[in-house]
Amino acid sequence: NAGVMQNPRHLVRRRGQEARLRCSPMKGHSHVYWYRQLPEEGLKFMVYLQKENIIDESGMPKERFSAEFPKEGPSILRIQQVVRGDSAAYFCASSPETGSTTDTQYFGPGTRLTVL
Amino acid sequence: AQTVTQSQPEMSVQEAETVTLSCTYDTSENNYYLFWYKQPPSRQMILVIRQEAYKQQNATENRFSVNFQKAAKSFSLKISDSQLGDTAMYFCAFMKSFVTSGTYKYIFGTGTRLKVLA
Repeated sequence: NAGVMQNPRHLVRRRGQEARLRCSPMKGHSHVYWYRQLPEEGLKFMVYLQKENIIDESGMPKERFSAEFPKEGPSILRIQQVVRGDSAAYFCASSPETGSTTDTQYFGPGTRLTVL
Repeated sequence: AQTVTQSQPEMSVQEAETVTLSCTYDTSENNYYLFWYKQPPSRQMILVIRQEAYKQQNATENRFSVNFQKAAKSFSLKISDSQLGDTAMYFCAFMKSFVTSGTYKYIFGTGTRLKVLA
């Protein structure tokens, strides 16, 4: 059973470009979460999605950032007009739909975004 | 708002020895979940152990155990018989019950960097 997959693992963008980060949850998981980790810091929650729905986006910056989890395909975190401060590791996590294990999130390997 | 505090930025332990990492949190909730995650140099986040607040019994996973003190809002991780492969960043995380919060987001501490010495 494959784990959470993220691609690309490393992404380099110049200021003003767009960054698209992809996340495929574990098989059977319908909850997806995105977290950001700045250098030497802990992970900060950004957004929680279920298929075709954003459930909690309380951690998303108001501008330039958006996320989706379509009915088919991976979840996408999109950052428009990137700035140097967006450089970070972005982690995706997933959890199953029901049951007592819903609270446990399984993380992908992360995408390290570098903005030049 | 909930906060999670890890007061030890760095720790070291000799191989085969025991080490305890501390974590405290602040919440007014009664139902919640606590986790320890390990992040080795590969940066992959790996679940170490989880604890439901309604359970009084401390969780244990092989060499890893927790000391959960609900009244004190403390959730420390004990690693017994430390191994070189335990070298990593360790993050404590808190999550409110979905019933009360409507979300499953984690709140992480800032981490403790553990180095196991040969």
